[in-house]
Amino acid sequence: GAGVSQTPSNKVTEKGKYVELRCDPISGHTALYWYRQSLGQGPEFLIYFQGTGAADDSGLPNDRFFAVRPEGSVSTLKIQRTERGDSAVYLCASSLDRETRLFFGPGTRLTVL
Amino acid sequence: DQQVKQNSPSLSVQEGRISILNCDYTNSMFDYFLWYKKYPAEGPTFLISISSIKDKNEDGRFTVFLNKSAKHLSLHIVPSQPGDSAVYFCAARAVMEYGNKLVFGAGTILRVKS
Repeated sequence: GAGVSQTPSNKVTEKGKYVELRCDPISGHTALYWYRQSLGQGPEFLIYFQGTGAADDSGLPNDRFFAVRPEGSVSTLKIQRTERGDSAVYLCASSLDRETRLFFGPGTRLTVL
Repeated sequence: DQQVKQNSPSLSVQEGRISILNCDYTNSMFDYFLWYKKYPAEGPTFLISISSIKDKNEDGRFTVFLNKSAKHLSLHIVPSQPGDSAVYFCAARAVMEYGNKLVFGAGTILRVKS
């Protein structure tokens, strides 16, 4: 079956612009996570959805970052007023529930010029 | 403050030999540990895990050892194969956290030479 997909694979934007990153989880997976991987670092937790609601958003760095999952499937990570420090690979992952194995997507590489 | 540390940025091993990847952690509330493997342009994939109530878990060529008193775990790959060349991430979960809210190390690049 299809794995987790993320679009776009690459996004280049200018400082101050708004971007949206999309994640399509594996069908039937109720839990969805966003992680961010900066150069030379491991993935860093951002936010976790159980169904439509954000169960834990403690990893979002500031209020420029926001994520939604309105129908409990596709999720969008939104970044306002992008800064150069936001440049990273944004990884989405899903699992059947909060306890089972995570499946990661290939990530979206965001570059803020 | 890095709670999960992988102090070796890279490791090079000859095909057929053992690869040993190390990971140290500082948070005594971590109760579950995982290793993920990542190829370029792909997301991390789960490899093997271990609960803090165990000191060893084995799956085929992969074995993870946990030393709780030393707050240290290691991944052994025997025998190493060229296809094992990838970035390996150690990850940990705190006992009070949700299932997949993981803390990752910075990764170790493994190169297996044929």
